[in-house]
Amino acid sequence: NAGVTQTPKFQVLKTGQSMTLQCAQDMNHNSMYWYRQDPGMGLRLIYYSASEGTTDKGEVPNGYNVSRLNKREFSLRLESAAPSQTSVYFCASSETGKFGEKLFFGSGTQLSVL
Amino acid sequence: GENVEQHPSTLSVQEGDSAVIKCTYSDSASNYFPWYKQELGKGPQLIIDIRSNVGEKKDQRIAVTLNKTAKHFSLHITETQPEDSAVYFCAASKVTGGYQKVTFGTGTKLQVIP
Repeated sequence: NAGVTQTPKFQVLKTGQSMTLQCAQDMNHNSMYWYRQDPGMGLRLIYYSASEGTTDKGEVPNGYNVSRLNKREFSLRLESAAPSQTSVYFCASSETGKFGEKLFFGSGTQLSVL
Repeated sequence: GENVEQHPSTLSVQEGDSAVIKCTYSDSASNYFPWYKQELGKGPQLIIDIRSNVGEKKDQRIAVTLNKTAKHFSLHITETQPEDSAVYFCAASKVTGGYQKVTFGTGTKLQVIP
């Protein structure tokens, strides 16, 4: 059972380039999330998808777009990368997104924007 | 919105000693408080959680306490072992629009010295 799988693990971009971070879960979870992790700032929510077909902004959505492709997959797109988007990105999922649920995280994507 | 403060940012203890990490939250509507452990190169994993109707919860060497009046909660690890070395995140969660919104603290890097 793989859990939450993220690709790629590492990426270097130049300012202005675009890219898509992929995330897939095999636990039949309804809710999926994208977080970014920066030193001294913890984990901040970028976007989430409470269920297939819905997406909502989180705390820091500017510069990002998401697609909930199907129940398994939730992608994060940077249309025009900026150095401020250098970060470690984590995808997570939970069963229904309701109260008191455990979040299952992927192993992260380390992104550098030069 | 919710603000979660976490202290200390780094903590070094001798193997066998206890470690305590403290968090405060601002939103009295938060009612679920999970703790996540992040090992190097991996995503965070839930280690223990507590709901607002409970004051303390224990799981082997790990315990969490919650003081709702003071809006603070703490993680206690007893008889620390080298494998406890990791970054620990506290979080506060509440239900918004039918779904839980999780706000993370900034993390504590725990080093257990053999």
